[in-house]
Amino acid sequence: DADVTQTPRNRITKTGKRIMLECSQTKGHDRMYWYRQDPGLGLRLIYYSFDVKDINKGEISDGYSVSRQAQAKFSLSLESAIPNQTALYFCATSDFSGTEASEQFFGPGTRLTVL
Amino acid sequence: RKEVEQDPGPFNVPEGATVAFNCTYSNSASQSFFWYRQDCRKEPKLLMSVYSSGNEDGRFTAQLNRASQYISLLIRDSKLSDSATYLCVVNGVYNFNKFYFGSGTKLNVKP
Repeated sequence: DADVTQTPRNRITKTGKRIMLECSQTKGHDRMYWYRQDPGLGLRLIYYSFDVKDINKGEISDGYSVSRQAQAKFSLSLESAIPNQTALYFCATSDFSGTEASEQFFGPGTRLTVL
Repeated sequence: RKEVEQDPGPFNVPEGATVAFNCTYSNSASQSFFWYRQDCRKEPKLLMSVYSSGNEDGRFTAQLNRASQYISLLIRDSKLSDSATYLCVVNGVYNFNKFYFGSGTKLNVKP
């Protein structure tokens, strides 16, 4: 079984709809992240969380919200989807050694299309 | 200015060739550096971390030049299976909170 899972894998929705993307991990990591990837722009950070009580905005958080329901679960919501939120969304987790950054582990991605 | 910049390519090389990619970063205080590989429509996966002294993993060699603020990836004896997009990743300055991704360099290895 995959260590980081995302649901749904693909979603087509309409402008104005509320949608939730879910991420679960079995790696036991405290740190979780949501990114979006657009062609030519690389991955951009939406939100990140260091534990269930810690939520932080990334560089492009407008139009998104998150919930950290448990150490293993981190959900991303689009309250009112718009077409420019069409993208590939990745969830990631990482550990932290205290002295340097550790590898990030990514889920398989959710391809979201907003019509 | 972007935090991390890469030449998008594509780099089209024959099998067996040696190819090198560079990546520049804007924050001189950045602490950790990585190369990730991403296959088409798949998730990124760590290829290798980049250490100050440079490091090698099989056919792959990574170098860090702090003075000029760039990192490099050298691939020797290219294989068809090396065809992918290579992402340069730099970690944030404080508490290693954030990872900044380059937009990637596409490599096509041809028979």
